[in-house]
Amino acid sequence: DQQVKQNSPSLSVQEGRISILNCDYTNSMFDYFLWYKKYPAEGPTFLISISSIKDKNEDGRFTVFLNKSAKHLSLHIVPSQPGDSAVYFCAARGHNDYKLSFGAGTTVTVRA
Amino acid sequence: EPEVTQTPSHQVTQMGQEVILRCVPISNHLYFYWYRQILGQKVEFLVSFYNNEISEKSEIFDDQFSVERPDGSNFTLKIRSTKLEDSAMYFCASSDEGLGRGEQYFGPGTRLTVT
Repeated sequence: DQQVKQNSPSLSVQEGRISILNCDYTNSMFDYFLWYKKYPAEGPTFLISISSIKDKNEDGRFTVFLNKSAKHLSLHIVPSQPGDSAVYFCAARGHNDYKLSFGAGTTVTVRA
Repeated sequence: EPEVTQTPSHQVTQMGQEVILRCVPISNHLYFYWYRQILGQKVEFLVSFYNNEISEKSEIFDDQFSVERPDGSNFTLKIRSTKLEDSAMYFCASSDEGLGRGEQYFGPGTRLTVT
């Protein structure tokens, strides 16, 4: 299933700086997008979501941007903290879907 | 904060044996899901369940798999005759909304090892 792509397998960022994670999708029927964070030996934890009727959603240090014409979304984390070091998954679902389609994940390492 | 729980955390079984993975979804959620992640691969959807029936399933979810809500709190995934390729992390999730909306909340997973 290549409908959701995270092309950067890893990202290293200095503490206090911005982390930008990218996600592309191919299915034009997707209209709800989510970001999850995962620590080793734990399940994915919901972070933030955005509906296709919006282009931005903000929650504390996390902001998700959606560019529907480019079929692209991004997650900004500002400022990055050591506890943000984890794998981040982009996920999407269509209006008539129960299932989430996941990207492969991006491993973020925040350096002190 | 309410959370999804799963038992066991690790299950080792021999090929051909039946396994049952158990989940307790968040108590006021009505929609339940199973996903799996084979080592090094993406998280993959298996099945969704609502109102005591399967609402959606993937091509992975063949006749070897079944789901059940045996009581008001548990949600189970049964694999009838395990294969080596069933080795994976299995995640249960639940949500309070269904089609197209609602965040799904995941449990910590069960690591299934088939030998």
